[in-house]
Amino acid sequence: QSALTQPASVSGSPGQSITISCTGTSSDVGGYNYVSWYQQHPGKAPKLMIYDVSNRPSGVSNRFSGSKSGNTASLTISGLQAEDEADYYCTSCTSSSTLGVFGTGTKVTVL
Amino acid sequence: EVQLLESGGGLVQPGGSLRLSCAASGFTFNNYAMSWVRQAPGKGLEWVSGISGSGGSTYYADSVKGRFTISRDNSKNTLDLQMSGLRAEDTAVYYCANCPRNSVWGSYLNYWGQGTPVTVSS
Repeated sequence: QSALTQPASVSGSPGQSITISCTGTSSDVGGYNYVSWYQQHPGKAPKLMIYDVSNRPSGVSNRFSGSKSGNTASLTISGLQAEDEADYYCTSCTSSSTLGVFGTGTKVTVL
Repeated sequence: EVQLLESGGGLVQPGGSLRLSCAASGFTFNNYAMSWVRQAPGKGLEWVSGISGSGGSTYYADSVKGRFTISRDNSKNTLDLQMSGLRAEDTAVYYCANCPRNSVWGSYLNYWGQGTPVTVSS
């Protein structure tokens, strides 16, 4: 199972909005509404930010939102803040495995 | 408060074995599937194994199948990963994570432990 494709890096200025894409196939991202997103600061464990494409867990800022179109899912961070600087990973279930497949990861830099 | 605490990581020679454990608290352990996810140094995340809430169904990535065994003790709220035939490419931080559905498929990883490092080297 190949990893989902994410841009290696995305950057933005404080207050701006950025979008991270996560591209798969009809066998994973496009086939199911089971995409989730994780934020990981250096040396820390990942943290769930979005599940089931667009749902936010309790406690996650509403500046984070998720969506999907066809085989590509997206995570949008609005009102970018310095604390949002981190690595972000998507994951999706897949028809070829019981375990989910992760994206390649995106480093978000706040300029 | 949900807590997941991994232990058992360390330095092991190629071909050796290691057993990781994850102590869970703050939720009804046997109601949820659990997983192990690893991250090699400077690399991305890899979902390596999962187990159903009852422990009756187990799943492995192709990269570890036949070498790793996942298990759980619902009476003690613990999750284990027995690793054998270790290779240099198994060097990573290993995280246990809670899947807030009874099945691993279609689930997401709700809570994560702090991770335990495994280094495979001679």
